[in-house]
Formats: sequence, structure tokens, C-alpha cells
Amino acid sequence: RKEVEQDPGPFNVPEGATVAFNCTYSNSASQSFFWYRQDCRKEPKLLMSVYSSGNEDGRFTAQLNRASQYISLLIRDSKLSDSATYLCVVNTDKLIFGTGTRLQVFP
Amino acid sequence: SQTIHQWPATLVQPVGSPLSLECTVEGTSNPNLYWYRQAAGRGLQLLFYSVGIGQISSEVPQNLSASRPQDRQFILSSKKLLLSDSGFYLCAWSVRGRGNQPQHFGDGTRLSIL
Repeated sequence: RKEVEQDPGPFNVPEGATVAFNCTYSNSASQSFFWYRQDCRKEPKLLMSVYSSGNEDGRFTAQLNRASQYISLLIRDSKLSDSATYLCVVNTDKLIFGTGTRLQVFP
Repeated sequence: SQTIHQWPATLVQPVGSPLSLECTVEGTSNPNLYWYRQAAGRGLQLLFYSVGIGQISSEVPQNLSASRPQDRQFILSSKKLLLSDSGFYLCAWSVRGRGNQPQHFGDGTRLSIL
């Protein structure tokens, strides 16, 4: 089993839609969690940390479920500029990156 | 604010040639430093990390090496490149001594081996 698993997608959604990605992790001792965004042929950029109580940053909401060992990212009111690959990242003694979920927002 | 610089942005090298990629961080002291590789359509693979000058940990066996001659400088090297070394190489830094910190990436170097 992979340490971090994500649905590769692509998720094709119209502008204004709400879309959610899930990510599961295998190590129950994982201590911190992040979502990164990676545009085509660019470096990953930190989107947001994921806190135990869940957290929101504008149109983005992240949730953590430690019992089921998954984290989620919800994007509301999708914009064309949200098109990218979203990487789930889990920290045990080092950061483990998922292979990403690709999102394509169309007009 | 902290910035991370990585160069060159792209590189085309013949098989068997040497390699040197450089990464520097500004605006922070004593960072943790990392080298990753991302093959086409694949996830990020941690190659090396460093918690201090001269301290290098290798994650996977390979023909690459890393060095940290100064606190904010991290270098990735190879004496003889293989075709399989092609990929997108990323340097990253994080705050040292504090657990659960995210990493911040440089712009990356796209390496093609011919």
C-alpha cells in the first residue's frame, strides 16, 4: 500500500462548481498534513496546512479525519485559474508527497 | 522574506557527462535543505536532505551526490549521468528544529539526458 494515495483524476468541472479531493495515508503516526498546488512544469507551492479541526482559506476548505486516515480539500466556486495538480502531503519523520490529483476547470 | 534560488532552469546533458546543480536560500538561517526529483507523470522522490553544513542524508541509492558547503547552499552532483537521471529536480527548504513545518520549493531544474 502506498504511503499516500490520491485519485489521479482528471476532474473536469465547469467554472463555479464545487469539487472535492480525498487523500488517504497509511501511517497512523503522521503528525502534520498539507495541500500543495503544482502547475504544469512548475514547482509545487504550498496551498494550505490541514489542521485537526479543519480549516478554511477563502474558497478552499481542508479537513482531516485521523480515525479513517484521510484528508480532503474542497474548492468552492471554481475558477479557471484553479486548474492545476493538487498534491496531498503527509509528514511523519519526513514529508511524503502523493502523486497528485489533476483538476481542469472549463468555461 | 525568505527566497530560494535554483539554477539552471533547464539543462541538456549527454550521457556520461558530469552534473552540478546549485541551490541557495536567502532570508533564513540554519534551514533544512532538500533535493527532490520528479520524473514525468510521477510523484516527488526525496533524494537528499541536510540539517546542517556537511550533514547529508541520502534517501535512495543512485549515482548522484549532494553537498552543503555553506549554511544556505546545497549542491547536487553527479560524476557520470545516466539516461534515467532525466527529470525535474527541485530544491526545497524548511525551518529547522521545528517539527511539522512545510517545505518551500525553488523553481526547479528540468534536466534532459541525451
